[in-house]
Amino acid sequence: GQNIDQPTEMTATEGAIVQINCTYQTSGFNGLFWYQQHAGEAPTFLSYNVLDGLEEKGRFSSFLSRSKGYSYLLLKELQMKDSASYLCAVRDHDYKLSFGAGTTVTVRA
Amino acid sequence: IAGITQAPTSQILAAGRRMTLRCTQDMRHNAMYWYRQDLGLGLRLIHYSNTAGTTGKGEVPDGYSVSRANTDDFPLTLASAVPSQTSVYFCASSRTSGSGTDTQYFGPGTRLTVL
Repeated sequence: GQNIDQPTEMTATEGAIVQINCTYQTSGFNGLFWYQQHAGEAPTFLSYNVLDGLEEKGRFSSFLSRSKGYSYLLLKELQMKDSASYLCAVRDHDYKLSFGAGTTVTVRA
Repeated sequence: IAGITQAPTSQILAAGRRMTLRCTQDMRHNAMYWYRQDLGLGLRLIHYSNTAGTTGKGEVPDGYSVSRANTDDFPLTLASAVPSQTSVYFCASSRTSGSGTDTQYFGPGTRLTVL
């Protein structure tokens, strides 16, 4: 099975940067995903990492260190619409996704 | 393109009743999944199907059953609902069962309350 930990809540100011950490312990690893979920809506895909390093997509970046079982999602130039839950998910040796409980980010003006 | 649709949007159900949650995708994805999402626990996999005609158990399968008669539909059945099955249920699909950057796309969810 998987053990995936991420902070429960984070608060930041509009225009700032926030980093959401995710640590995992797995029985196999075939990639790490980040999803965004607005309240009352479905999760939507943000990023995917399978090799060590940084993947950048506009204002969002995701980093992976497989040896440390660690990833982070970096949100830059925060906007009010970025207020949401961010879910870290690990794909295991059986190609199934296991999700962390999610980090609720609140962006304040 | 609708993507993934789920029905009903929400439902209040008496304990002991049978209930089927419907999920349909029009992306011709091979793999489909059912998750439940509970506060503080995140998304947990109930059942999955890697391709039409096959199904498998996820992390929390007890009390639920699924079938995959064709590519598009993946219904989830609660044979005899209990209050602990109160949750938000998400159906998801992916092109394959998980190669490379293949990601899962989620339906809008069904909010189920069992009294």
